[in-house]
Amino acid sequence: KQEVTQIPAALSVPEGENLVLNCSFTDSAIYNLQWFRQDPGKGLTSLLLIQSSQREQTSGRLNASLDKSSGRSTLYIAASQPGDSATYLCAVRDDYKLSFGAGTTVTVRA
Amino acid sequence: NAGVTQTPKFQVLKTGQSMTLQCAQDMNHNSMYWYRQDPGMGLRLIYYSASEGTTDKGEVPNGYNVSRLNKREFSLRLESAAPSQTSVYFCASSKSRDNEQFFGPGTRLTVL
Repeated sequence: KQEVTQIPAALSVPEGENLVLNCSFTDSAIYNLQWFRQDPGKGLTSLLLIQSSQREQTSGRLNASLDKSSGRSTLYIAASQPGDSATYLCAVRDDYKLSFGAGTTVTVRA
Repeated sequence: NAGVTQTPKFQVLKTGQSMTLQCAQDMNHNSMYWYRQDPGMGLRLIYYSASEGTTDKGEVPNGYNVSRLNKREFSLRLESAAPSQTSVYFCASSKSRDNEQFFGPGTRLTVL
């Protein structure tokens, strides 16, 4: 059974600092990995999708890397802003379903 | 372009009552999914539909049924609600299994 772990569970940084969020998974036989953002009481917003054949994916201030063989992915958010405060979830797809981590709750202090 | 929509947003049921959660997408996606989100348990897949006319069980299907009404709509039914089904339910869709999933805003269900 795929287990997805996100460390740390919570993170508080001053505005302008770069964020580094970690995700690890136990079974490297994945098809892809997706990073999401969830605001309190809201649904999930897709941030980035990395296919298993890719090493990284970038969108604006966001960059996600994938090391499938070691079962790790890292989400980098450059020059954080208070609007980046949210819970970030990673999910890996094996076969038909996504397996989610518990998330990292980020607070960016103004 | 509304994306993925869900109704209702909130619902309170008594144990034993039934209800159907509705989901629709306007992105012409083939695959649709139902998840539940519980504190400490994360998001778990209940059922999915890889394409119109097919449905399959996910990780936690007991107590639920689904219907893929057409390509746009995928409903989740609770036949006899139990307190353990108190949760936030999310519907999602994707073009195919290989593409990113897009989520709806969720339905917050409380079973008393």
